Amino acid sequence: AQSVTQLDSQVPVFEEAPVELRCNYSSSVSVYLFWYVQYPNQGLQLLLKYLSGSTLVKGINGFEAEFNKSQTSFHLRKPSVHISDTAEYFCAVSEYAGGTSYGKLTFGQGTILTVHP
Amino acid sequence: DGGITQSPKYLFRKEGQNVTLSCEQNLNHDAMYWYRQDPGQGLRLIYYSQIVNDFQKGDIAEGYSVSREKKESFPLTVTSAQKNPTAFYLCASSTGGSNEKLFFGSGTQLSVL
Repeated sequence: AQSVTQLDSQVPVFEEAPVELRCNYSSSVSVYLFWYVQYPNQGLQLLLKYLSGSTLVKGINGFEAEFNKSQTSFHLRKPSVHISDTAEYFCAVSEYAGGTSYGKLTFGQGTILTVHP
Repeated sequence: DGGITQSPKYLFRKEGQNVTLSCEQNLNHDAMYWYRQDPGQGLRLIYYSQIVNDFQKGDIAEGYSVSREKKESFPLTVTSAQKNPTAFYLCASSTGGSNEKLFFGSGTQLSVL
């Protein structure tokens, strides 16, 4: 069975500083990887996803993530954060093995990013 | 506007009571999902449906029930058998492929009186 571990439950950072949110996964088959963001009292929205090809994936709002198969990681990065980036971020994985898994995602525990002025 | 609508935004349940959370989508998506969110635990899958009149249990289905009589609708009933129902419930939909993103509703906060 697949699992996802987000290594930091909270990450405080100052505005305009770089940030990295860490995510490791475990799976016995190939996976698709996702990062979602949740603003307070709202649903989740997709930041970016890795399906195949280039291991560096760019998403919305200046975020990017790098897939590292050997380390089974998919860390999220932003070179310069803004106050508006304050939110909870979730890493998620979807397994596939030649067929479809109907979008059944397994989520990590979430990382709360707080950007201070 | 296309999207997912969850209602109500806040819901209170009395002991021994069943309550139903509504989820409607106008995205013409085949697949719909219910997740439960607890602080520090991320999202856990309760039930999912790939097609009308069919649904499967997720990781924490005990104490919950669903139906999928229409493509647009996927209501979740929290039964009295669910002893710890206080949580934020999120409904989502997708086209169904494992590489497709999920579209989420804005959630329902359920609390026990």
